[in-house]
Formats: sequence, C-alpha cells, structure tokens
Amino acid sequence: DVKVTQSSRYLVKRTGEKVFLECVQDMDHENMFWYRQDPGLGLRLIYFSYDVKMKEKGDIPEGYSVSREKKERFSLILESASTNQTSMYLCASSQGSGSFYEQYFGPGTRLTVT
Amino acid sequence: GENVEQHPSTLSVQEGDSAVIKCTYSDSASNYFPWYKQELGKRPQLIIDIRSNVGEKKDQRIAVTLNKTAKHFSLHITETQPEDSAVYFCAATPNNNDMRFGAGTRLTVKP
Repeated sequence: DVKVTQSSRYLVKRTGEKVFLECVQDMDHENMFWYRQDPGLGLRLIYFSYDVKMKEKGDIPEGYSVSREKKERFSLILESASTNQTSMYLCASSQGSGSFYEQYFGPGTRLTVT
Repeated sequence: GENVEQHPSTLSVQEGDSAVIKCTYSDSASNYFPWYKQELGKRPQLIIDIRSNVGEKKDQRIAVTLNKTAKHFSLHITETQPEDSAVYFCAATPNNNDMRFGAGTRLTVKP
C-alpha cells in the first residue's frame, strides 16, 4: 500500500512566522504535489515536483516555496505566514513521468494562521 | 492554463436514486480524467478514471462518460447508498505531470 504522510494534522501559527509542512511518501514515486483545499474552491495546485531538486509552479504559488532534496520528501514553506493562508494543505504523490497515474494523497494538515 | 468547472456544487438524492455530476474543461490537450471521492475527514481517493481514447467506462454502480468534442465528462452513480455520501472531485490533466481539479460536489444520499 502506498503511504503518504504529513508531518502534522493540525498546526497553529502566528502571522509572519515561517512555516514548514513536510510530506513523505514510501513508494519511490517520481511526482509529488502540494494542494490547498478551501470550501467551494476545491483542490488548488500550489507547486509540484517531478524529480529531485525540480519544481514547477502550480496555479497559486504566491507566498509559498518548496524544497525537494530527496525523492521521498517534499516540503512546502510559507516564508511569512498570513491569515489568508489558513487552509487545509494536502500533499500527493504519483509514479511515472506521465499523467496517467493515480495520485495518492496524505491525510492533510489543517493550518490556522492567527 | 487548464480550467475545470464542476456542477452542481451540492446534490441531494434519495437512497436508490441515481446521481450525476458534470465537469467541463478548457484545454483540448487534456487526455486523462480521474474522479476522486473524499469522505468526511478523510483524504481524497481515486474511484474511477477515463482516458481520452475511451468514451465510457463502468465499474459496478459508477460510470464515467467523456465527450472530447464538447470538452465535458460526467460521473454517474446508480442505486445510490448512504455510504456514497461524500465530496466528489473531477480532474483533468493538461500535460504530463500535473492535474487540475474541479471545485467539488457534495453528494448527500438520504436513507
């Protein structure tokens, strides 16, 4: 079974703090993704990576950065957290270089910025 | 970029009835269309997918249809059961590595 884990289920941070969200997958998947999920807006792609040290911007990359130093780990960084970044963050991974592969999601991190 | 629109945003049906969720996409290069189900408090999971060389696919009570000319695809659930209650997301893939999701449909099946 594919396992995708995220470092925290719930996180509360203050405005201006630097926030790290970690995602680890154990199936040697090439592709990893970060989404945020907000009611009525679905899953919006923040960043994705198709290889170690590679990253691509999604639809809403502003205010975020990512790091992929190892194949199994993909980190999302909020350089200076703001209240409008309060959301559920979902990580996902998929195998292969094509898109015809199921994305496996982590359990999500609910981030509250106060 | 790819834009996926999904309707309706909420859907309520009686147990045993059918449910239909519709999606449209904008990028004619998209060639893979999965559907994910997210139960309350859980992660999204793939339930069915369809590729652009196929017009229809069925798996027990769920089916997906694709009209590439019109750029729309639909999820059909027959004989709905209370455990079908969840949020359903459609998605389209504009290129090889990423996927764009619709806004989701909250399906409620009333016993």
